[in-house]
Amino acid sequence: AQSVTQPDIHITVSEGASLELRCNYSYGATPYLFWYVQSPGQGLQLLLKYFSGDTLVQGIKGFEAEFKRSQSSFNLRKPSVHWSDAAEYFCAVAPGGNAGKSTFGDGTTLTVKP
Amino acid sequence: DVKVTQSSRYLVKRTGEKVFLECVQDMDHENMFWYRQDPGLGLRLIYFSYDVKMKEKGDIPEGYSVSREKKERFSLILESASTNQTSMYLCASRPGTIGSNQPQHFGDGTRLSIL
Repeated sequence: AQSVTQPDIHITVSEGASLELRCNYSYGATPYLFWYVQSPGQGLQLLLKYFSGDTLVQGIKGFEAEFKRSQSSFNLRKPSVHWSDAAEYFCAVAPGGNAGKSTFGDGTTLTVKP
Repeated sequence: DVKVTQSSRYLVKRTGEKVFLECVQDMDHENMFWYRQDPGLGLRLIYFSYDVKMKEKGDIPEGYSVSREKKERFSLILESASTNQTSMYLCASRPGTIGSNQPQHFGDGTRLSIL
């Protein structure tokens, strides 16, 4: 069975600073990988996804993520954080060929300092 | 845009009551899901459905049941509510077959409190 770990429960960055949120997964083959964002009181919104091909994927709101098979990682990055990026971020992994069986990480809460 | 609508944002019920949470999606998606979200535990899958009248257990189905009589509607039922079912409940839908690589679309959640 697949699993996903988000090592950082809470991260604080200053507005304008760069951001990297970590995600490590465990799965025997190439998985489907997703990053979602959840603003307070809202559901989850997809930021980006990786299935195959180029290991650097671009998403919405200026986010990108890089798939590194050798490190079993799929870290989310943004070069310059905005105050509106404060939210909870979830990494999810699904077995290739079955995105419906996603397993979610515990989430990382991002606080943005002015 | 896909719209997944959960009937209540906040709900307060009493222990032992039968509770219904409703979810409707407007994009003719085949697959629908119910999760609960608790601090520090991420999202945990309760049940999902890949077709009308079809359902499968997720990771934590105990104490819950589901109903999918129409393609657009997926109901979560707490047969006899207990305080440990106080949580945020999220509904999601997804197009395609069970093997599809399409991501899920989420509703805004129902925060359920059981007193």
